[in-house]
Amino acid sequence: EVQLVESGGGLVQPGGSLRLSCAASGFTFSAYWMSWVRQAPGKGLEWVANIKEDGTDKYYVDSVKGRFTISRDNAKNSVSLQMNNLRAEETALYYCARGGGTYGWEYWGQGTLVTVSS
Amino acid sequence: QSALTQPPSASGSPGQSVTISCTGTSSDVGAYNYVSWLQQHPGKAPKLLIYGVKERPAGVPDRFSGAKSGNTASLTVSGLQAEDEADYYCTSYAGTNNFVIFGGGTKLTVL
Repeated sequence: EVQLVESGGGLVQPGGSLRLSCAASGFTFSAYWMSWVRQAPGKGLEWVANIKEDGTDKYYVDSVKGRFTISRDNAKNSVSLQMNNLRAEETALYYCARGGGTYGWEYWGQGTLVTVSS
Repeated sequence: QSALTQPPSASGSPGQSVTISCTGTSSDVGAYNYVSWLQQHPGKAPKLLIYGVKERPAGVPDRFSGAKSGNTASLTVSGLQAEDEADYYCTSYAGTNNFVIFGGGTKLTVL
């Protein structure tokens, strides 16, 4: 059974940093792109970043370029999102999803909540 | 990057069909056959309904179908059921600069 479990969310002040992690199981992790998708409270979905199977290619939504970094550890079956200089409008539920998004995402985690507030 | 355009709401009675549109540009929906549709119930993670414009993952009923014409993609839900009441999002690949963009979502109400 494919499982994606996010962790690392919490309350952070504007300008602060947070690192999200996603532990994957039930599939050959190193064979798949992985993505982060977020959803602000009561709002729609927004793709944030994705990373190629071997970590060589990474892509980001314009609004987070230079502040967020996606990475993966294929030995530990995990993908992470380092978020720096966070803004209030980035308060959202952050989902980890299997795939790069070109063909959608068939498997999702339950999400981890990030709240950016003073 | 600009989001794809979806109607904010749609509705239909049980047993009827409803079609949700998703309008992009010649740089995203019109350029690639990489349109997907997701269904999201309140408080739940999204569920993939359609990928590659018209392909259904295993387990998705054939009541859900996708199509594309030019810069506009569409999702048709046939034989509406109460459990189809949810939010629906389209996505499209938009090239290596923007990669994936979402529509704003459509709230489907089953009357």
